Amino acid sequence: NAGVTQTPKFRVLKTGQSMTLLCAQDMNHEYMYWYRQDPGMGLRLIHYSVGEGTTAKGEVPDGYNVSRLKKQNFLLGLESAAPSQTSVYFCASSSRTRQNEQYFGPGTRLTVT
Amino acid sequence: AQSVTQLGSHVSVSEGALVLLRCNYSSSVPPYLFWYVQYPNQGLQLLLKYTSAATLVKGINGFEAEFKKSETSFHLTKPSAHMSDAAEYFCAVNYNNDMRFGAGTRLTVKP
Repeated sequence: NAGVTQTPKFRVLKTGQSMTLLCAQDMNHEYMYWYRQDPGMGLRLIHYSVGEGTTAKGEVPDGYNVSRLKKQNFLLGLESAAPSQTSVYFCASSSRTRQNEQYFGPGTRLTVT
Repeated sequence: AQSVTQLGSHVSVSEGALVLLRCNYSSSVPPYLFWYVQYPNQGLQLLLKYTSAATLVKGINGFEAEFKKSETSFHLTKPSAHMSDAAEYFCAVNYNNDMRFGAGTRLTVKP
C-alpha cells in the first residue's frame, strides 16, 4: 500500500497562475482533507470531504476550490495564485469508523512569486 | 472553537535526557487528542492518541502522554531521548471532525 500520495512534490507559480494539486489514497478511506502548513502556525484545514461528491470548508478556505469525483482522489485547486498561498500543502485521509485517526501524505511545497 | 497551545517552539535536550513537550487544549466537550511527529521533508506521522479510554497513552518510539482534565493538558514525554527523536512535534485536538493543530515544537537532541 502506498498510503496517501501527493503530486507534485514541488511547484513554483507566478501570481495569477492556476494549478491543481492531486491527492490519492489507497486505503478506501471515506474522509479526505487538505491542510496548509506555515511556519509558527501548525497545520490549518482548508477543505475536507466526507465522501465522494461532497466537500466542505475548513478553517481557511478562501482562494481554494476542491473536488472529490472519485473516492480515492481529492483535488485542491488554486484558480489565481497569490504570494500568500506560498506554503506546504498536506493531504490526509481517515476512515468513517476511525475518523479521528488521519493519515498524511508527504506534502507539496508551493511557492508563488 | 477548540484550540491547542504548545508551550515552547523549540526544545533542546541532551541524548539520554527526559523529553517533555507541553500541550494545553481548550475544548467545551471531551476532546480527542493527538501527538504527531514530522521529520524533515516528510508528512505527519501519528505518535499516539487519546480517545477517552486510559488517561496515560503509550505511543510509538517510547513516547507517552497523559491526559489531565483538571489541567486541560496532554503533555508528551519520553524517559530517554535518542538522536533519532529530533523532529517537529504537533499536538492536535479533534472534535466532530474539526482537527486543530498546535504551532509545533521543534525538538533538538544534542550528543
